[in-house]
Amino acid sequence: SYVLTQAPSVSVAPGETARITCGGDDIETKSVNWYQQKPGQAPVLVIYYDSDRPSGIPERFSGSNSGNTATLTISGVEAGDEAHYYCQVWHSGSDHWVFGGGTELTVL
Amino acid sequence: QVQLVQSGGGLVRPGGSLRVSCAASGFKFRDHYMTWVRQAPGKGLEWVAQISDGGGQADYADSVRGRVTISRDNAKNSLYLQLDNVRVDDTAIYYCARLKEPGATPSDYWGQGTLVTVSA
Repeated sequence: SYVLTQAPSVSVAPGETARITCGGDDIETKSVNWYQQKPGQAPVLVIYYDSDRPSGIPERFSGSNSGNTATLTISGVEAGDEAHYYCQVWHSGSDHWVFGGGTELTVL
Repeated sequence: QVQLVQSGGGLVRPGGSLRVSCAASGFKFRDHYMTWVRQAPGKGLEWVAQISDGGGQADYADSVRGRVTISRDNAKNSLYLQLDNVRVDDTAIYYCARLKEPGATPSDYWGQGTLVTVSA
């Protein structure tokens, strides 16, 4: 089975840049989606197909994917960005969706 | 606007059965693949199942295959998840979600979630 690895937590000061990574074998060959989940709420899609942004998502959110690592970058972090962030890919070998374990973003 | 409103869930005994429903509105339901994702208390997201737009193709996570059935009624704009022979580790919030386009595409709208608790 395909495994996506995320650091459990990331902390940044307001206004700084947060980088949340998602590791997977040859992940650059897959399309990566990113979801934001705040406590008690359903997930929200923030980045899809590696770097596309849904309407309504601030330009501060961006994504990239290269080699064995995909990265969600949040520029000018705000207190409201505190949440868990999950990466996701479709593993065609088994016709399964796979989620990373999630990264908790804390704004100091 | 797109809405996914979930119902069902609740407390069920180990070995029992339960059905969770998801009523869709605000879009052409029959044109979209749909999926179920769950989240155990304090844990991350886990994909459960996905169904094609016409309902003819379904995929399941290994952890639930054989015990869970995803289905849909396009005439009623509704998605279902039938859980049979449930186990304690099936306890989770279950979310339905719409896939953006046919096939393996991101989930762009999510239901509010419904809690399923498996306990004796």
